Amino acid sequence: SQKIEQNSEALNIQEGKTATLTCNYTNYSPAYLQWYRQDPGRGPVFLLLIRENEKEKRKERLKVTFDTTLKQSLFHITASQPADSATYLCALDWASGGSYIPTFGRGTSLIVHP
Amino acid sequence: EAQVTQNPRYLITVTGKKLTVTCSQNMNHEYMSWYRQDPGLGLRQIYYSMNVEVTDKGDVPEGYKVSRKEKRNFPLILESPSPNQTSLYFCASSLWGTGDPNEKLFFGSGTQLSVL
Repeated sequence: SQKIEQNSEALNIQEGKTATLTCNYTNYSPAYLQWYRQDPGRGPVFLLLIRENEKEKRKERLKVTFDTTLKQSLFHITASQPADSATYLCALDWASGGSYIPTFGRGTSLIVHP
Repeated sequence: EAQVTQNPRYLITVTGKKLTVTCSQNMNHEYMSWYRQDPGLGLRQIYYSMNVEVTDKGDVPEGYKVSRKEKRNFPLILESPSPNQTSLYFCASSLWGTGDPNEKLFFGSGTQLSVL
């Protein structure tokens, strides 16, 4: 079963609204979680990292929350713009064979309409 | 400029013809990894390396080989490519696992491989 779950359906919102994307994980307690942006045909680009002891992290119009009880992270983009349209991926440090390796969710596509 | 360089950007080949996709990073990262990305399946890890001469299988290693003889290079080898290996491939590197507070992944620009 999938370790990390992101909504597979695209999120469509109007320009200026706040976009909220969800990342859920199961049977694990990651030390931190990361969010990446990916444009079509391009490599993912790092956006934010949040640690298990942090409830919230902000960077300009971006905000990430991390609820270790719910095993969930929320990624918010305020005052969204059409240029924010992309796929957003979350990644966890997943324990594997004695190491911790980054493991990605499948991503959620965000489409911001003008 | 800090970067991960992948080559080639596009590659069309035929079944069974061995190929290598190169990956090089200039950030002295210990961790390097290869992913493939297919529509609806997201990023799937093929192989990763925590350091020189240390490589481990990811989720989908079948049909692939890697080597890590030098810290900066991590080539992906397809000994006998098949059509089901047609995909978009990404190399990545990081300070992952070092305890550095900035353990983000840096990705290459991708290699679109088509196996006919």
